[in-house]
Amino acid sequence: EVQLVESGGGLVKPGGSLRLSCAASGFTFSDAWMSWVRQAPGKGLEWVGRIRKKSDGGTTDYAAPVKGRFTISRDDSKNTLYLQINSLKTEDTAVYYCTSEWYYLLNSWGQGTLVTVSS
Amino acid sequence: DIVMTQTPLSSPVTLGQPASISCRSSQSLVHRDGNTYLSWLQQRPGQPPRPLIYKISNRFSGVPDRFSGSGAGTDFTLRISRVEAEDVGVYYCMQATQFITFGQGTRLEIK
Repeated sequence: EVQLVESGGGLVKPGGSLRLSCAASGFTFSDAWMSWVRQAPGKGLEWVGRIRKKSDGGTTDYAAPVKGRFTISRDDSKNTLYLQINSLKTEDTAVYYCTSEWYYLLNSWGQGTLVTVSS
Repeated sequence: DIVMTQTPLSSPVTLGQPASISCRSSQSLVHRDGNTYLSWLQQRPGQPPRPLIYKISNRFSGVPDRFSGSGAGTDFTLRISRVEAEDVGVYYCMQATQFITFGQGTRLEIK
């Protein structure tokens, strides 16, 4: 059974930093493209970015609103995906979901981790 | 960026009746590889989203056949042939032809 378990969320002051983790199991993590998607309270879904598998270059793509502040990385030896968020803004308050990509479909989702940015 | 526009934003439906959601993209979703990466996701209350349909009309594993997708180019539709109580939630179209963007979501509720 595929499992994606996010962690690392919490309350952070504006301007602060946070690193989210996503522990993956039940599939070959190193073969998967992975994405982060966020959802502000009561709002819709917003794609944050993705990281390709190493055999596809391991490269990343980011949504315009987060480019330069967010960094996605992966450790295939630990089956773990990361999201480093710097210079946090109040508008970054959201549930952050880790997802796997299968032929351009976000096929598996974690339960999410809540990031709250407030002074 | 490709903008995805869904209509309606809210859809009250009677149990057992059909429902339909439209999604329009600001540019063609045909990828250079010839595929159209338009999918639909369902988000039940309090749950993460789950995939329903991929590449316009392919049902994801375990999705009931009352869900169907259609369309081409820039116009797409999700249909539910007979709405059941468990279908309540928010439905999103999503394109992955050029990065990833979502529609605003359509809330399906029972009348």
